[in-house]
Amino acid sequence: TQLLEQSPQFLSIQEGENLTVYCNSSSVFSSLQWYRQEPGEGPVLLVTVVTGGEVKKLKRLTFQFGDARKDSSLHITAAQTGDTGLYLCAGMYNQGGKLIFGQGTELSVKP
Amino acid sequence: EAGVTQSPTHLIKTRGQQATLRCSPISGHTSVYWYQQALGLGLQFLLWYDEGEERNRGNFPPRFSGRQFPNYSSELNVNALELEDSALYLCASSTFTGRETQYFGPGTRLLVL
Repeated sequence: TQLLEQSPQFLSIQEGENLTVYCNSSSVFSSLQWYRQEPGEGPVLLVTVVTGGEVKKLKRLTFQFGDARKDSSLHITAAQTGDTGLYLCAGMYNQGGKLIFGQGTELSVKP
Repeated sequence: EAGVTQSPTHLIKTRGQQATLRCSPISGHTSVYWYQQALGLGLQFLLWYDEGEERNRGNFPPRFSGRQFPNYSSELNVNALELEDSALYLCASSTFTGRETQYFGPGTRLLVL
């Protein structure tokens, strides 16, 4: 059974601070996706990473995929109140369409 | 380009009834996936359809079923509803077959009373 451990589960910071969210597994991913979800809405794709060691940037967000493709991180620089939301990592294990989701990180950025 | 659409947005049923949820994928996408997001349980994979066939199924009982139509839209049926079926049901779509990035719809909130 594949598991995806995401940490921390809750994060409350002040505007302007930096933060990192981690996603770890004992299994190798074929790809990993990061989503952001607002209450009562569907997850919105932020990025897909597929190559070990890959780094992708989306404005103040930096995504890294581990060399062994077993872990990933999301780093937010100078967080803003608009970054508040639930961040989800989801891994694909070459098993036919099934995304395995982490538990999510509930981020609250206070002004 | 229109995203994944789902209907209805909200659905209220009583225990034992049947619920039907609908999903239209992004134009050009042939694969449709269904997930359940219950409170405190995270997103759980339900079903994957591609080219009209069920390709994979999550760890859910047979009363969760669905189908995919020739236009690639999909329907999820939940029979004999139980209270614990209350959840946000999310549909996603992708190109090709099960290895591509999945794009999610807004979800259908099902409440079983």
